[in-house]
Amino acid sequence: QVQLVQSGAEVQKPGASVKVSCKASGYIFTSYALHWVRQAPGQRLEWMAWINAGNGNTKYSQKFQGRVTITRDTSARTVYMELSSLRSEDSAVYYCARDTNYMDVWGKGTTVTVSS
Amino acid sequence: EIVLTQSPGTLSLSPGERATLSCRASQSVSSSYLAWYQQKPGQAPRLLIYGASSRATDIPDRFSGSGSGTDFTLTISRLEPEDFAVYYCQQYGTSPQTFGQGTRVEIK
Repeated sequence: QVQLVQSGAEVQKPGASVKVSCKASGYIFTSYALHWVRQAPGQRLEWMAWINAGNGNTKYSQKFQGRVTITRDTSARTVYMELSSLRSEDSAVYYCARDTNYMDVWGKGTTVTVSS
Repeated sequence: EIVLTQSPGTLSLSPGERATLSCRASQSVSSSYLAWYQQKPGQAPRLLIYGASSRATDIPDRFSGSGSGTDFTLTISRLEPEDFAVYYCQQYGTSPQTFGQGTRVEIK
């Protein structure tokens, strides 16, 4: 079955960077794009970025432009999201989700805590 | 960006009752590219409805979606115990994709 398995929880200091991974299985990896969406405590879901796993093209939310980088490793069937210059407001659960225009399959989420 | 406003914020109902959730967009959602997701505590969102009215795979037929333009509705015809959760609408027709703030359906 289609699965997205994300890396484990992270604790980072303000100003640092974090890199979260999302490993796909159960489908042809290069045939779909993947999104990154985050959810801060008590807040709505927030779209961050998108990558075409086939050709590597990316699209970023203006809010995160310059701070977020999405990459993929086709041999490992894995997509990565790196967020830099972390601040306390970046503490959230980060999800990857497969793109079928909408988001049909989601990873379980990775909790990122930013704290000094 | 398109702002989605969901109402009510919280819906208190009993099992077996009908739930009607609203999602209003600040501008027209192109091609009815509107989805609904269910989220339970500590879990990822789960796709229920896409294209405003198409049920996702394995979603029971008590869930239905309707609407177009700027006004959309998710209806749960008869609430089952497992349906008590938070529901989000999402538009994916215009970049950036955006989500509503959620409606919590709680047990009365």
